[in-house]
Amino acid sequence: DAMVIQNPRYQVTQFGKPVTLSCSQTLNHNVMYWYQQKSSQAPKLLFHYYDKDFNNEADTPDNFQSRRPNTSFCFLDIRSPGLGDAAMYLCATRGQGALSNQPQHFGDGTRLSIL
Amino acid sequence: AQSVSQHNHHVILSEAASLELGCNYSYGGTVNLFWYVQYPGQHLQLLLKYFSGDPLVKGIKGFEAEFIKSKFSFNLRKPSVQWSDTAEYFCAVSSGTYKYIFGTGTRLKVLA
Repeated sequence: DAMVIQNPRYQVTQFGKPVTLSCSQTLNHNVMYWYQQKSSQAPKLLFHYYDKDFNNEADTPDNFQSRRPNTSFCFLDIRSPGLGDAAMYLCATRGQGALSNQPQHFGDGTRLSIL
Repeated sequence: AQSVSQHNHHVILSEAASLELGCNYSYGGTVNLFWYVQYPGQHLQLLLKYFSGDPLVKGIKGFEAEFIKSKFSFNLRKPSVQWSDTAEYFCAVSSGTYKYIFGTGTRLKVLA
């Protein structure tokens, strides 16, 4: 009964070839997040959605885009992946609740490799 | 800018040893604090959280954490670790927004 589902678990793409990672949730949460996590580093927030409102982090490269067609689904598009984009990508959700004391719920992640 | 520091990157313990993992944050206002655990091959899961009240918080699997406001710390503890506690542990902070700042994580290995 996974609640935040990321597909695929492993994704291999070629340098410069666009790739899309997907995330779906059964929690009906308003907020969805995408993080990039490299080995031995903290998860780094790329962007988040509050409903359909998109919030990009200032240091997220333009190469990274996102779509949220409905409450349940959110996509991460990497337009021209470089070798430095190889990482684990984590999707998370959060209910509205009282500000910031709600925990996030994470998916298993997609490990992206670039050839 | 907010930041979270986890000073222990790798910890190795024998079973039944006591555990304390450090977490310090930098933010002067009201914060909400979390510890997450990531078992090998699994997703990040919430261990415990603090947002108000008793600064000693109890979580799942016998873990607890103490919020010390004067020290900007939220250290994770467990009196007696088990082999199954082998995992990576992340401290995270949130403060009045939908954003969470994570520490770099501590990899715990428990020897049977």
